[in-house]
Order: sequence, then C-alpha cells, then structure tokens
Amino acid sequence: NAGVTQTPKFQVLKTGQSMTLQCAQDMNHNSMYWYRQDPGMGLRLIYYSASEGTTDKGEVPNGYNVSRLNKREFSLRLESAAPSQTSVYFCASSDEDGSYEQYFGPGTRLTVT
Amino acid sequence: GQSLEQPSEVTAVEGAIVQINCTYQTSGFYGLSWYQQHDGGAPTFLSYNALDGLEETGRFSSFLSRSDSYGYLLLQELQMKDSASYFCAVKKGSGYSTLTFGKGTMLLVSP
Repeated sequence: NAGVTQTPKFQVLKTGQSMTLQCAQDMNHNSMYWYRQDPGMGLRLIYYSASEGTTDKGEVPNGYNVSRLNKREFSLRLESAAPSQTSVYFCASSDEDGSYEQYFGPGTRLTVT
Repeated sequence: GQSLEQPSEVTAVEGAIVQINCTYQTSGFYGLSWYQQHDGGAPTFLSYNALDGLEETGRFSSFLSRSDSYGYLLLQELQMKDSASYFCAVKKGSGYSTLTFGKGTMLLVSP
C-alpha cells in the first residue's frame, strides 16, 4: 500500500514554461486535494476534488488547473509558470467527504526561475 | 473570513511537557484537527476535536473549547523526534468542507 504518491519530487522551470504535477492514491479515497506550502504560510488549498468527476477552487487557484483523471489520480497543471509559483506542492486524499483526516503525499519541490 | 493563530516557535527539553495553542475565528466552525510535519516532509494527521474537552492518544492530547474558540495540542514526555512543525486546521460545517490550516508552530526539543 503506497498511500499517496507524487511525481516528480523536484522540478526546475523557467518562467513561462508549463508542467503537470501528478498525484495518485491507492486507498480508494473519494476526495483529493492540492496544496502549496511556502515558508511561514502553512498549507494553502489550491484545488480539490470532492469525488470523481468534480473539481472546485480552493483558496489560491489562480495560475493553476486540475484534472481528476479517475478515482485514483488528480493532476495539477501550471500553464505558464511564474516565480511566484515557486513552492512545495502537496497532494492529499481523504476517505470521507470533507474529512478532517487527510493523507498527504511526499511533495513536489518546484522552483521557477 | 476565517483566521487561525498559532505561535511560530516553541522550545522545550526532552522529557518535558509542551502545549501548542491555536485560536481561531471562523463562522460555521465544526472541528479542529492537528497535523505534524517533519523537515518539510508529508504532514501526518495527529488528532481531531469536534466536541469540547480533551482527546488523548498516547503521549499526545488535544483540547478544544468551542466557547473560547481555542484549542491546544499537548505533548508529554517529549522526545527529540518530536521536533517538527505542528499545524492546527479548522473544518467548517458537518457536510462536505475543506480544511483551513494555520501557519504552523515549529517545536524544537533539546537534550
């Protein structure tokens, strides 16, 4: 049971480049989430998917898009990366709708130059 | 809107007891969660309070006072491995809602 996996672990992009962060969970969870973590800012929700086929904006959605590919996979896309998107990105999942207990992946460390 | 306040840093020695406070201001409050994060790794769930009072899980306990909009995480018999960041997070509403995290408290445990 791998839990929540994320790829890549590290990425460096130039301003204006695009990329997709991948996330998968093998716990048969309904809900999945994307967060970003910046120093001193805690975890801020970018987008979430309450169930397969639905996605909604979180606190900081600008500059991002998401796709809930199937129940297991939830990807985050940066269409035109900006230095302000330099951050650590965490994917999470939960078994109950809107559960207080979320399971996090190891994170993707993204630097935009 | 909503806000959560936690101290940015707390220090303690091995074997001691430490309390990490969290105050919140939010409408429709339903419950308070606590997460631990080591060195920027994956956050892990520690505990959850929906009702007033103390919840105990081994060396860790969490407390909630809904009337005071206040909660805390209590860590007993501190160990070096407890050095980490601790986040409180509020859940709004009994139905589907996301978590809103505080900015975190870095706990430094010294020998």
